[in-house]
Amino acid sequence: SQQGEEDPQALSIQEGENATMNCSYKTSINNLQWYRQNSGRGLVHLILIRSNEREKHSGRLRVTLDTSKKSSSLLITASRAADTASYFCATRPAGGYQKVTFGTGTKLQVIP
Amino acid sequence: ETGVTQSPTHLIKTRGQQVTLRCSSQSGHNTVSWYQQALGQGPQFIFQYYREEENGRGNFPPRFSGLQFPNYSSELNVNALELDDSALYLCASSSEAGPKRETQYFGPGTRLLVL
Repeated sequence: SQQGEEDPQALSIQEGENATMNCSYKTSINNLQWYRQNSGRGLVHLILIRSNEREKHSGRLRVTLDTSKKSSSLLITASRAADTASYFCATRPAGGYQKVTFGTGTKLQVIP
Repeated sequence: ETGVTQSPTHLIKTRGQQVTLRCSSQSGHNTVSWYQQALGQGPQFIFQYYREEENGRGNFPPRFSGLQFPNYSSELNVNALELDDSALYLCASSSEAGPKRETQYFGPGTRLLVL
């Protein structure tokens, strides 16, 4: 079963605009990670945020985490056509068990 | 490039057959996880190996089994293939130490089609 759900399921924007994706999850977590996947290939790790962190930046990426609402958001600023991909959040549960659970993904299309 | 490789890239099998998928992790990574990703879905955790022992399993039947070897390679074996086993199979390696701990590095995947 999927732990997380991304919202929206699909997003289409113009190049240069910002893209925001949201992720909700169900159980307490140790950390939350965002991944990108191009055309059904392997996933690329983007950013990891721990449960005691609220915001993290990496280049054009900004991730927030609200553990009280069990939600996270990924913001991609100044989007490029190369950002076109599916984006997944993945949670590692609290308590030491190593299972990582992925959400259902947001399909982002950036139109040149 | 993540330094994680998988073979083969594509595979076609018939129902009832057995299949072995292979993964070569990043050097020094003592943890490997396997995932199944059906079309249009997120990856589903199959199991994880740490230092050659299984240390976590998702909701998959025993006909899904694995091995991890000392040279950072691993295998996923699936017996008695079913049509629903058609999917992209991903392996991911990680280390429990260092500044990048818990970050998973994925291979490109093996696409399995069961007819």
